Amino acid sequence: GENVEQHPSTLSVQEGDSAVIKCTYSDSASNYFPWYKQELGKRPQLIIDIRSNVGEKKDQRIAVTLNKTAKHFSLHITETQPEDSAVYFCAASFPLSGGYNKLIFGAGTRLAVHP
Amino acid sequence: DAGVIQSPRHEVTEMGQEVTLRCKPISGHDYLFWYRQTMMRGLELLIYFNNNVPIDDSGMPEDRFSAKMPNASFSTLKIQPSEPRDSAVYFCASTTEVGVSALGGYTFGSGTRLTVV
Repeated sequence: GENVEQHPSTLSVQEGDSAVIKCTYSDSASNYFPWYKQELGKRPQLIIDIRSNVGEKKDQRIAVTLNKTAKHFSLHITETQPEDSAVYFCAASFPLSGGYNKLIFGAGTRLAVHP
Repeated sequence: DAGVIQSPRHEVTEMGQEVTLRCKPISGHDYLFWYRQTMMRGLELLIYFNNNVPIDDSGMPEDRFSAKMPNASFSTLKIQPSEPRDSAVYFCASTTEVGVSALGGYTFGSGTRLTVV
């Protein structure tokens, strides 16, 4: 079935350290993998995404890697800052009939960056 | 662009009452999604529309839930009758294609926090 597993559920790091969040997905046909950041009481916001024809993508302190063979992808945040504290969600696209896709989200990782 | 606009921001209602949530997608976005977020179940896709047509409603929990998109700039999610277990934050999101069968990133609205007492 359609499933996205996300680990860890909580992550606590010191400011300046790196943080890594990992996700696995169930369908080898998935081809789009976005990451969202949700601050307390706010909406989820897209921070980075990757498509299946790419193995890695970087945007300043954030990077995402994709291993299609193993069906897993990861978010890497370097030089963490207190404002990185939030809940992070991974997602994967799952195909529907008619050429459509739908996004299924992981359960989220609560990241706390301590000064 | 004002982004995806949802109303109301907060709704408190009594069990058994009808609740209607509203969403205005970003102009030009032809995909619209309704998600429900709870601590227990995370972000669940309820239904999504393409060009105002429902494509997948397999996530709609029960017949008490219904959604419509009468035109490209407006959608509603209705719960009738509401129950306490429907309490959650309901998000609307929209996007458009960026390539062949490739969707762009979703833009979420601010959500409606529904409390059914």
